[in-house]
Parts: sequence; C-alpha cells; structure tokens
Amino acid sequence: GAVVSQHPSRVICKSGTSVKIECRSLDFQATTMFWYRQFPKQSLMLMATSNEGSKATYEQGVEKDKFLINHASLTLSTLTVTSAHPEDSSFYICSARDATGGGNEQFFGPGTRLTVL
Amino acid sequence: SQKIEQNSEALNIQEGKTATLTCNYTNYSPAYLQWYRQDPGRGPVFLLLIRENEKEKRKERLKVTFDTTLKQSLFHITASQPADSATYLCALVKDTGGFKTIFGAGTRLFVKA
Repeated sequence: GAVVSQHPSRVICKSGTSVKIECRSLDFQATTMFWYRQFPKQSLMLMATSNEGSKATYEQGVEKDKFLINHASLTLSTLTVTSAHPEDSSFYICSARDATGGGNEQFFGPGTRLTVL
Repeated sequence: SQKIEQNSEALNIQEGKTATLTCNYTNYSPAYLQWYRQDPGRGPVFLLLIRENEKEKRKERLKVTFDTTLKQSLFHITASQPADSATYLCALVKDTGGFKTIFGAGTRLFVKA
C-alpha cells in the first residue's frame, strides 16, 4: 500500500517556541491531506483538511493562527504549531488520500509525539 | 451531534477464539465505514472498508458487517493470535460536500497465548 511519512517522529520543545511537522506521501500524489490530534486513550480528532494549492479547512474549535498548515505540493503538507504551550502536547498524525482512480482509502503517517515543557 | 461509540473496555480473549468488536453510531449517515488497527505510539493502519449498500466484507481472518438500520458495525477476527493485540478503530466516512472521516475512540484487544 501507499506510504506516508512524518518528520520528526518525536519532538520536545520549550513553551513559546514553534514546531514544524512534515507529512509526505512517498509513492503517490495526495491532493488532500488531513491533520489529526490524538490524546491518550482518545479518538483521533480531525484538526484540518489540507488541499494542495489552497487554504486549509479547519474544524470548529481549532485555531488557524496557532496551527498553520501549508500544502505546497502534491506530496508535502506541513503543520506548524506556533507559540506552543504544554496543553498542545499530543500525538499529531497526518493522513493522505490517494484519490486517483476514485480511491477512498486514507493512508496514515506514523505520527509525531510533541511534548511542550 | 454525531457520535461513534466503541466499547471503551478492553477485550481479553484466548488465542484461537474469535474476537468481536462493536461500533455504534448516531446522527450520521456514512457513505462507508472503515476499520483500522493502531499500535501504541503509531498511526492507524487501514484494514477494511465496507460501503453502505454492503452487508458483509471479508479479508483473510477479518470480517466486517454493516447494518445501517441498527447503525452498527461488527468487526470479527477469527482464529485470533497474540499478534492481533492492538487497538481497533472504527471510522465513518461521508463523501458529500467534502471527504471527512470521524473516528471512534477504539477498543483495545488483548489476545492471550
């Protein structure tokens, strides 16, 4: 199946700093990528939907100025957590949809564990 | 509001038995439903997809049923193995006005040798 990578896999930062997480589709073109956040023992919560070349669509309650999303190419989307605080500590997971041929499957990255001190 | 419910209690079964996990949903009309496996500290891995007009889908030792009247899906793992131990997530997908997936919190499965 298609592969989605995320970098970094783990990051620890000080409160107030910004952190950028990259999501890449390695062997397919992803016109749409999704960013999720998952707290321990909870479900994945969709943060935003990112379409290549256009602005991301954020879910209700997600601050677009805090979680900056850029989807500059068909294989790369980035999530920047600006001025991170301890409550932003979470597991961030991206996924990409391979819509060629009408496919509906979402492929998930391995996730990025963010810890804000 | 839309809600997906999976049994929050862990399911413990003996190796070789069939594991059955339940996913119930309310206030939602999904185009299709998916099941994922998630291991600790990892992203979800896609297992099966079943459409609203399908009753049952099989893939090797996995079987999924989808009852749109009951608003319920059952996920079965036959001849379970310790390697099947993981969290299994149910996800509903709507493909009108934008592709959107909503996940349940998952059920933790432990298969004992």
